Amino acid sequence: QSALTQPPSASGSPGQSVTISCTGTSGDVGTYNYVSWYQQHPGKAPRLMIFEVSKRPSGVPDRFSGSKSGNTAYLTVSGLQAEDEAHYYCSSYVDPNKLVFGGGTKVTVL
Amino acid sequence: QLLLRESGPGLVKPSETLSLTCTISGDSITSKTYFWGWFRQPPGRGLQWIANTYVRGSTYYNPSLKSRVTVSVDTSKNQFSLRLTSLTAADTAVYYCARDNGGYGLDPWGQGTLVTVSS
Repeated sequence: QSALTQPPSASGSPGQSVTISCTGTSGDVGTYNYVSWYQQHPGKAPRLMIFEVSKRPSGVPDRFSGSKSGNTAYLTVSGLQAEDEAHYYCSSYVDPNKLVFGGGTKVTVL
Repeated sequence: QLLLRESGPGLVKPSETLSLTCTISGDSITSKTYFWGWFRQPPGRGLQWIANTYVRGSTYYNPSLKSRVTVSVDTSKNQFSLRLTSLTAADTAVYYCARDNGGYGLDPWGQGTLVTVSS
């Protein structure tokens, strides 16, 4: 199973929006609406930010939103804040019980 | 509050076998229909799924690691474990355990444990 494709970096100024893409295939992102996004600060464990493409767990700010079109999923962070600077990883099921991650995107708040 | 904690050796020699344990507190490993997963992250690199296991059913493995990995569950200790054989330097990584809620994502995660493969 191949990794999902994410841009290595993205950036925006405080208050702006940034959108990260996560491209898979018809065998993963295109088939399953089980795309999740994780935020990871240096030296910390990943934190679930989005599940089922666009749903937010309790406690995640509504500045974080997710969507999907075809084989590509997107994470948008609106109203960027300094604390949003982190790596972001997408994941999808490849078949009902196997997972694949994207390579990660470093978001920089300028 | 559900907490997961990884434990195991921080340093292992090439060709040896790694054994890690994930201890669950705040809930039973047998509650509901959750999967429990192992993941790793080489230094400076991205996340990789290793395996996930359902207490009352099957275990699924990353095809690239399947020949070297075994996951087991000890319900009496509320733990699940990872065994990875024939280690090389490429297995150096932070290893995480997490609850796999199926379509609801991986949450929570353990804090991770760094494993270095070196002689």
